[in-house]
Amino acid sequence: DGGITQSPKYLFRKEGQNVTLSCEQNLNHDAMYWYRQDPGQGLRLIYYSQIVNDFQKGDIAEGYSVSREKKESFPLTVTSAQKNPTAFYLCASSSVSGQPQHFGDGTRLSIL
Amino acid sequence: GQQVMQIPQYQHVQEGEDFTTYCNSSTTLSNIQWYKQRPGGHPVFLIQLVKSGEVKKQKRLTFQFGEAKKNSSLHITATQTTDVGTYFCAGHRAGGTSYGKLTFGQGTILTVHP
Repeated sequence: DGGITQSPKYLFRKEGQNVTLSCEQNLNHDAMYWYRQDPGQGLRLIYYSQIVNDFQKGDIAEGYSVSREKKESFPLTVTSAQKNPTAFYLCASSSVSGQPQHFGDGTRLSIL
Repeated sequence: GQQVMQIPQYQHVQEGEDFTTYCNSSTTLSNIQWYKQRPGGHPVFLIQLVKSGEVKKQKRLTFQFGEAKKNSSLHITATQTTDVGTYFCAGHRAGGTSYGKLTFGQGTILTVHP
């Protein structure tokens, strides 16, 4: 089955530590996205990539970094500079920019 | 920057009652998408509206896109317990250089009492 796989499902971060969230898709989609979801709020865009080897900052990119070296992979690193990283992180992809997005099951990140 | 406001934030209905959520954008949109997120799940795409004044139906769900392409609504007729979840609108800003950037509303959490 085609889809988006996010791992791990749950992740715990110590103070001062960087952590990387994995996102892999086998839908052959060009565009990929990372969102953060906090309780009672909508999805806020962290980074997006319209094509391999290219990505743009979203609305809340500070404290995060990404790479897009392969079409199927778009990992997100939450750096120690992100002071409030506890949230639900969702990865999505679309065939091309502007088209409907398919979401992974998400990763819940918590601080120890 | 672009803002997408969605109301109400919460809606509690009895099963069989109708439900409507409204979405308003601060800028003109090239298209608007609607998603549903079940409790504990991830957003799932429902529909995309592109044309000014467009109306689309999916069984008991009716979606509208405003004439000015700045607002939209989702109406559910005769709600069922399976309709429970959070409904999000999300829009792409018309023109500009940020094509591909989808801005989500805050969502409306729907609770259906049997």
